[in-house]
Amino acid sequence: QVQLQESGPGLVKPSETLSLTCAVSGYSMSGGYYWGWIRQPPGKGLEWIGSIYYTESTYYNTSLKSRVTMSVDTSKNQFSLKLSSVTAADTAVYYCARDGKSSSSFYFDSWGQGTPVTVSP
Amino acid sequence: QLVLTQSPSASASLGASVKLTCTLSSGHSTYAIAWHQQQPKKGPRYLMKVNSDGSHSKGDGIPDRFSGSSSGAERYLTISSLQSEDEADYYCQTWDTGLRVFGGGTKLTVL
Repeated sequence: QVQLQESGPGLVKPSETLSLTCAVSGYSMSGGYYWGWIRQPPGKGLEWIGSIYYTESTYYNTSLKSRVTMSVDTSKNQFSLKLSSVTAADTAVYYCARDGKSSSSFYFDSWGQGTPVTVSP
Repeated sequence: QLVLTQSPSASASLGASVKLTCTLSSGHSTYAIAWHQQQPKKGPRYLMKVNSDGSHSKGDGIPDRFSGSSSGAERYLTISSLQSEDEADYYCQTWDTGLRVFGGGTKLTVL
């Protein structure tokens, strides 16, 4: 059974870069799935940030694309998120999840527990 | 533009059934969607994928009380024999090439 665990600083200063890592266990990231990041601001809904394949092929939300970088480390079976020039609007719980595998279905079928990130001086 | 629309809230009594709706935007009525449940203070959990023909495939361990169906551009999640732990936010999600989209979520209250 695949398990995902987010990690990273819980507090980031405005204008700095938010960096998070998602460790995957129970499944090889090279197994053909995409892997995604999703966030949830306090009291609000879910927002897709981006998804990455083990070959480092990426798709980003167009509203965040200029500030987002995702990478993968298959030797450690983990993937990462960097979000630059953060503001208070980036305060949220950040989730990593396993995305789709087939060429026609891309939904998140396994989720991490989430990690809260606050942007504040 | 690919958009999913959900009612902000729903309510039903303990032991009853409830049907939640997710509506696909114009031109996207053949798209499949996925349903996710988020209980209070927890992360989301995948429930099932629902296809345009109404067929659905559930995630591991999802009770038989949860089922999916479709009609036109609408995708449904039906929960029968409501239990207190079903009180949660429910999100639908769909996809296109290089894009993942979430609905705004429905907050289900079990009375």
